[in-house]
Order: sequence, then structure tokens, then C-alpha cells
Amino acid sequence: AQSVAQPEDQVNVAEGNPLTVKCTYSVSGNPYLFWYVQYPNRGLQFLLKYITGDNLVKGSYGFEAEFNKSQTSFHLKKPSALVSDSALYFCAVRDYNFNKFYFGSGTKLNVKP
Amino acid sequence: GAVVSQHPSWVICKSGTSVKIECRSLDFQATTMFWYRQFPKQSLMLMATSNEGSKATYEQGVEKDKFLINHASLTLSTLTVTSAHPEDSSFYICSARAPGTHRNEQFFGPGTRLTVL
Repeated sequence: AQSVAQPEDQVNVAEGNPLTVKCTYSVSGNPYLFWYVQYPNRGLQFLLKYITGDNLVKGSYGFEAEFNKSQTSFHLKKPSALVSDSALYFCAVRDYNFNKFYFGSGTKLNVKP
Repeated sequence: GAVVSQHPSWVICKSGTSVKIECRSLDFQATTMFWYRQFPKQSLMLMATSNEGSKATYEQGVEKDKFLINHASLTLSTLTVTSAHPEDSSFYICSARAPGTHRNEQFFGPGTRLTVL
């Protein structure tokens, strides 16, 4: 069975500081991993994905994520946080066989000025 | 490209009535669309997979007679909440699987907030 875990309900960081939002996964087969961001009362916006290739994936709005196979992790990172980054972040894994997405519980990112 | 829209963006209805939510892929054809439900401050729960021209596949625990899904064309899927009750109030989000180079991705609609009085 495919699943992802986001161990932190909330992450607080000061503007300008680096941020990390954690995600670990459990999959059978090769993992297809994604990060999405959701603003209040909005749908999900795609940030980045890992399918294959380089372990460091660069995405939208300056975000990047590092795929670590040995630790089964796919943490989202940004070198310098902005107040406008405050939102709900979801990690997801795609079930290759059925093309379903399984989402983590979400992490609320709060960036303080 | 790969834009998905939903209509309406919000709807308020009386208990016992039915509500239809539309999901459209605006600039691509989507053979597969997905419907999710999201409770406040919670994650997305996959309700069903909608396949063009065939019956939807529902996830365990989702009532197919309650949540009717129709995928009549390659750009439109509809979710009808029948005999709605207050506990059906939620944020409903659809997504569509894009073809070609983005076939591993899903593109999400902006969501529909349903409030049942």
C-alpha cells in the first residue's frame, strides 16, 4: 500500500530563514512523489515532483525537495522563506498501477515577518 | 496549459435537495478525473475515480448512490450529491490526469465549498 506521512501539523519560521517541511513515504515499487500547496478556500497548486533522476528537485516559487531513498523521505525546502509562503502544504505519492494520489495529512506553514 | 475549472465555487442548499458540481478540463482532454473531499484542516480524501464513458470507481466507504459521478465527455465530469444532509458539507475538489508529458501528474480544480443547511 502507498502512503505518505507528514509528521508536523505546523511549521513556524521567520521570514528570511530557511524552511523545511517533512515528508516520509511508503511505497511498493518506484515512488512518484509530489508536493502541492493550498491557500485558503482554494484548490491545490503543483510545486514539484520526483519521478526519476536527480535526487534534488527544483520547483515553483523557489522551492526544492530532496529525495532520499535510504530514509524514504522527500522533504520540501526553501532557502529563504517569505510571508506569502504561509499556506497548507501537502506531500503526495502516486500509485503507479491505478494512478491514484495519496496525500499526507498536510503541514501548515506559518512565516512570520 | 492544463487548467481545470470547477463550477460552482460555492453552493448553499437545503437539506434533502441535490447539488451538482461540474469539473472541466479547459485545454486538454482528460480520460480520467478524480473527486476528492476535504474537511476543514484535514487532508484530501479520494472519493472516486471517474473514467470517460464508463462507470466511476468508488473508494471504500463512499456511497455510490449518494455521490453520483458522470464523466460524459473528455472534458467534463460531474459530481451530484443526492439528498444532501448537513454532514455532506465539505470542500469538494476535482482533478484531472493530463496526457502526454504530464501524464504522471494530476491538475486540480479550485474546489467547491458545499454548505447544507
